[in-house]
Amino acid sequence: DADVTQTPRNRITKTGKRIMLECSQTKGHDRMYWYRQDPGLGLQLIYYSFDVKDINKGEISDGYSVSRQAQAKFSLSLESAIPNQTALYFCATSEAEIAGFGELFFGEGSRLTVL
Amino acid sequence: AQSVAQPEDQVNVAEGNPLTVKCTYSVSGNPYLFWYVQYPNRGLQFLLKYITGDNLVKGSYGFEAEFNKSQTSFHLKKPSALVSDSALYFCAVRASGGSYIPTFGRGTSLIVHP
Repeated sequence: DADVTQTPRNRITKTGKRIMLECSQTKGHDRMYWYRQDPGLGLQLIYYSFDVKDINKGEISDGYSVSRQAQAKFSLSLESAIPNQTALYFCATSEAEIAGFGELFFGEGSRLTVL
Repeated sequence: AQSVAQPEDQVNVAEGNPLTVKCTYSVSGNPYLFWYVQYPNRGLQFLLKYITGDNLVKGSYGFEAEFNKSQTSFHLKKPSALVSDSALYFCAVRASGGSYIPTFGRGTSLIVHP
């Protein structure tokens, strides 16, 4: 089983619909992240969480919200999806600073298409 | 502010030849540097990192990277490329202090020809 699991892996939806992407991890890491990948743009950080009670906006948080339900679960929501949110979304985890140097462990990705 | 530049969108190399994927960075203070690889339809996988110490860092799958502080570079290298090395490669940097969030480059597509 994968250490970082994302569901769904693929989703097609319509403009205006609410979408939730879920992420769960078995690595025991405190830190979790949501990234968006667009061709030629690399990875852009949407939100990150250093523990259950900590949520922080990344560089492109507008139009997105997150929930950290437990140490192992971090969900990304699009309240009203729009076509330019069509992208590949990645969840990632890392150890706390005291335990490591911050290399990230990624899920397999969730491909979202908004029509 | 921290940033990463990967000047080549694509690198082509023949199987068996050495390969280099370039990365330069900008960060305040000492850098932590990382390389990740993404195979088609997969998530990113950690390859190697530079934290401190020897400038030549060895990682997974025979890859290595050379840290050059004066040139602010962290180029990824492999002595003999394999077709299976064809993938998208990302360089990332973060400061040794501060928010601890890495910044990624735009990625370089490596194509190894048989």
